[in-house]
Amino acid sequence: GAGVSQSPRYKVAKRGQDVALRCDPISGHVSLFWYQQALGQGPEFLTYFQNEAQLDKSGLPSDRFFAERPEGSVSTLKIQRTQQEDSAVYLCASSLASGGVLSQATQYFGPGTRLLVL
Amino acid sequence: LAKTTQPISMDSYEGQEVNITCSHNNIATNDYITWYQQFPSQGPRFIIQGYKTKVTNEVASLFIPADRKSSTLSLPRVSLSDTAVYYCLVGGDAGNMLTFGGGTRLMVKP
Repeated sequence: GAGVSQSPRYKVAKRGQDVALRCDPISGHVSLFWYQQALGQGPEFLTYFQNEAQLDKSGLPSDRFFAERPEGSVSTLKIQRTQQEDSAVYLCASSLASGGVLSQATQYFGPGTRLLVL
Repeated sequence: LAKTTQPISMDSYEGQEVNITCSHNNIATNDYITWYQQFPSQGPRFIIQGYKTKVTNEVASLFIPADRKSSTLSLPRVSLSDTAVYYCLVGGDAGNMLTFGGGTRLMVKP
């Protein structure tokens, strides 16, 4: 079946522009995660949804970052007034798990969106 | 917050067994340990997960000592296609506790 898809795969933005990154999770997956991965680093947690509810957004680096999942499926990560330090790969992952220990959930990752802010 | 430490890089040859150890001294009671593999321009891919003792699947084994302060991913008979970055992920019940380490870059040589 189809895996997690993300679009666009690449995005170049001028500093100050707003961007929107889309994630299509695996159908039926309840949980959805966003991560930011800087070059040569491991993914860093940004935010987590269970269905349409955003249960944890503690990893969002500033109030310029906003994520939503209004119908409990597709999610959008929006970055307002982009800065050069926002340049990174943004990864989305989904998981079937809806309860239990969060770290027990097997996450299925998309290919990521590579954002370059000039 | 369970912080993880892994070797930055490892080299191996085809057909050898590779063991990658991750330290997670502050692991909490509820934390599971999961290993992911990542190729360039791709998202991480699940390899194996465990809570304690030993877990084995068709691609790897995971060894977790009784104190759970470390874990070792064992890849039997690696091939060139196993060249990738390997991450251990340890976390509890909160999203911000999902901590990937810096990853171990494994290079398999012919």
